[in-house]
Amino acid sequence: DAGVIQSPRHEVTEMGQEVTLRCKPISGHNSLFWYRQTMMRGLELLIYFNNNVPIDDSGMPEDRFSAKMPNASFSTLKIQPSEPRDSAVYFCASSQQGLYTEAFFGQGTRLTVV
Amino acid sequence: DAKTTQPPSMDCAEGRAANLPCNHSTISGNEYVYWYRQIHSQGPQYIIHGLKNNETNEMASLIITEDRKSSTLILPHATLRDTAVYYCIVRVGQGETSGSRLTFGEGTQLTVNP
Repeated sequence: DAGVIQSPRHEVTEMGQEVTLRCKPISGHNSLFWYRQTMMRGLELLIYFNNNVPIDDSGMPEDRFSAKMPNASFSTLKIQPSEPRDSAVYFCASSQQGLYTEAFFGQGTRLTVV
Repeated sequence: DAKTTQPPSMDCAEGRAANLPCNHSTISGNEYVYWYRQIHSQGPQYIIHGLKNNETNEMASLIITEDRKSSTLILPHATLRDTAVYYCIVRVGQGETSGSRLTFGEGTQLTVNP
């Protein structure tokens, strides 16, 4: 398996534009997580899904952020409109559902909003 | 999930053992100790986890004290490639729907010197 695949790896956009980040989890994994990492706040969990259903989105910063998982092999994180403070590295991770399983992270998307 | 305390930074000579401590004095009986690391510009990587017995795998050993209030991650022969931020995470299982929800602290920056 190629691991968790995120795209794009880098994104530069202007303030006010819509940004869509994409994630393909590892085949067979049924839990998916979106994290954001900044120097100030470290790694923060934004939202996670089990079996394509959002379980906890309490980490989503505000209504400008939305995440979907239309099927087991694809998820998106959308920011509309984007702001400079959204600049961060966004990681997607997947795991098999359960108590003892490890999470596998993608390489991340570095987002810069100017 | 229980809070963890780690030193912000440590140094280790190449080829020597690296011992990374973690305090989790409020850990509950059903909480596991997980270790992840993040090499610069990459996604976090799972290392090892345990409940109360010491654990060893191809990457590291995990020593958990008898009262489970602290643990130590041991990299037996550190290499330059082990330079990374190491995260100690205590995670409670909330049943099969919890997935692998992980709450990251600030971690320990381990620098392996030649």
